[in-house]
Amino acid sequence: DTAVSQTPKYLVTQMGNDKSIKCEQNLGHDTMYWYKQDSKKFLKIMFSYNNKELIINETVPNRFSPKSPDKAHLNLHINSLELGDSAVYFCASSQGQGVQPQHFGDGTRLSIL
Amino acid sequence: AQKVTQAQTEISVVEKEDVTLDCVYETRDTTYYLFWYKQPPSGELVFLIRRNSFDEQNEISGRYSWNFQKSTSSFNFTITASQVVDSAVYFCALRINTGGFKTIFGAGTRLFVKA
Repeated sequence: DTAVSQTPKYLVTQMGNDKSIKCEQNLGHDTMYWYKQDSKKFLKIMFSYNNKELIINETVPNRFSPKSPDKAHLNLHINSLELGDSAVYFCASSQGQGVQPQHFGDGTRLSIL
Repeated sequence: AQKVTQAQTEISVVEKEDVTLDCVYETRDTTYYLFWYKQPPSGELVFLIRRNSFDEQNEISGRYSWNFQKSTSSFNFTITASQVVDSAVYFCALRINTGGFKTIFGAGTRLFVKA
């Protein structure tokens, strides 16, 4: 029943490692997003995909590579993890890019040791 | 520049008090959308309301009400008779079309409702 699901919920890893976060939505939406929420709760858009095409890339380091194999999935791969990557990462989806609200996943808390 | 300002970092009230969360936005676009989201302690983000720039009608949904005023670029959120379950971080957000719609979130207001 979960509309937007992310896995894993928690990710603890060491600096320098490569990790992936998966996101799937079963709402039939055509647009998906990744957001980063830092320790001060500030939410910032990272990427947006519409029908599997990259629409927004917000000056995110190229260590972050999103991949959208189909409209229902938007995965996030992160290479060479750094301490500053520690945050909660939220996946979201919406129907279209304009008026419809975004539905968020529960977040993935990434902690870099 | 596009910006959302939530000047209140934290608000603390006692149950049954009314509380207003302020949101001021900046954009040069004539078409834009405004949203409020709630993030309870469990961490998920919950959509509360959407307004488009052409619709200045205020809205009430149960104990929640929203006051959209283009003249002051504000979209304030009031909770009447607050309850402990209202304790959360509330985010105001602005969506604009910058060659792809982008949603800009305010820094959030943390609301504590004490019993």
